[in-house]
Amino acid sequence: LAKTTQPISMDSYEGQEVNITCSHNNIATNDYITWYQQFPSQGPRFIIQGYKTKVTNEVASLFIPADRKSSTLSLPRVSLSDTAVYYCLYLRLTGGGNKLTFGTGTQLKVEL
Amino acid sequence: DVKVTQSSRYLVKRTGEKVFLECVQDMDHENMFWYRQDPGLGLRLIYFSYDVKMKEKGDIPEGYSVSREKKERFSLILESASTNQTSMYLCASRSEGENEKLFFGSGTQLSVL
Repeated sequence: LAKTTQPISMDSYEGQEVNITCSHNNIATNDYITWYQQFPSQGPRFIIQGYKTKVTNEVASLFIPADRKSSTLSLPRVSLSDTAVYYCLYLRLTGGGNKLTFGTGTQLKVEL
Repeated sequence: DVKVTQSSRYLVKRTGEKVFLECVQDMDHENMFWYRQDPGLGLRLIYFSYDVKMKEKGDIPEGYSVSREKKERFSLILESASTNQTSMYLCASRSEGENEKLFFGSGTQLSVL
């Protein structure tokens, strides 16, 4: 089972940087690390994906240490609209037949 | 943009009824998934399909079956609905290649009375 572990919840204030860490101790060589964001009453949506070191896009950065047993999603200068549940999972980019298992996610609450 | 459409946003059914949840994607993806989401439990995988007529059990398949007769459509079936199947059901399809990602529908909130 592709199990990940994240904090259940985090609180922050507008303008702060938020870092959410996920552990994935049994990640395999072929697995990529992916993060999703979910707002209430919506399906999750893709944020960022990486294999190692650092990946950055217009929304977030993803830091992955050399052993790849954890990853950290970094949200720069959060706003109220970043209040959501954030999920990490890892997946194998080898084609079909792969289960994609989500954990319980991290509920981020951003306040003024 | 990829579109994943779930046929109903809200459904109310009675215990023992047979329930069909439909999901359609418009990007010719081979892989499709059904999850259910419950408070405190996150998303749990029920079934997935990697090709037409091909399916595999997820983590919680009991009480469910699926059908994939056409590539674009993946149906979740509750043979005899029970109250513990009251939940939010989310369908997803997966793109492939370098930027592989899941695309989710808006979800179906099913209430079994």
